Amino acid sequence: GAVVSQHPSWVICKSGTSVKIECRSLDFQATTMFWYRQFPKQSLMLMATSNEGSKATYEQGVEKDKFLINHASLTLSTLTVTSAHPEDSSFYICSARDGTGLETQYFGPGTRLLVL
Amino acid sequence: GQNIDQPTEMTATEGAIVQINCTYQTSGFNGLFWYQQHAGEAPTFLSYNVLDGLEEKGRFSSFLSRSKGYSYLLLKELQMKDSASYLCAVRDGDYKLSFGAGTTVTVRA
Repeated sequence: GAVVSQHPSWVICKSGTSVKIECRSLDFQATTMFWYRQFPKQSLMLMATSNEGSKATYEQGVEKDKFLINHASLTLSTLTVTSAHPEDSSFYICSARDGTGLETQYFGPGTRLLVL
Repeated sequence: GQNIDQPTEMTATEGAIVQINCTYQTSGFNGLFWYQQHAGEAPTFLSYNVLDGLEEKGRFSSFLSRSKGYSYLLLKELQMKDSASYLCAVRDGDYKLSFGAGTTVTVRA
């Protein structure tokens, strides 16, 4: 099956700093990538949809200036959490749409962010 | 918007069968997915239904009734490694997935 990677898998940072998370589709081209956030014992909440070469579409309630998304190529999307605060601590997961067949979304392994 | 309901927890014995139900009310429907998620890990794809009926993949089967807004995931011959959270997700016309809260399945020896 399709493989999606994320980097880093873990990050601990001080309040006020910015953190960049990378999401890569390793063996397929992903015209669309999605970014989710998951708090403990809760389900995945879609934050934004990222399309290659265009601006991301954010879900209601998600601050686009705080969560910067760049989808510069068909295999890479980045999420930057700007001026992170403790309430941003969460599990961030990306997925990539394979664009063929079932149009299944394949998920990356996730990035656990802890803001002190 | 999407409203997706599934039970919070289920417990079953190793070797048994468990059925996880999912009901949904959606503004657009373009398929229903089931994912498995172990604690601290990302979800992994289990099954996909877009037409009514049963899809079988080894020990896992998934059923869909679009008219009833209902799906179930059937896990047979349960193994200890099947202990995980199972997420029901509905896809809309823009290929966005909306997830239910997940059902935590605990398999006991």
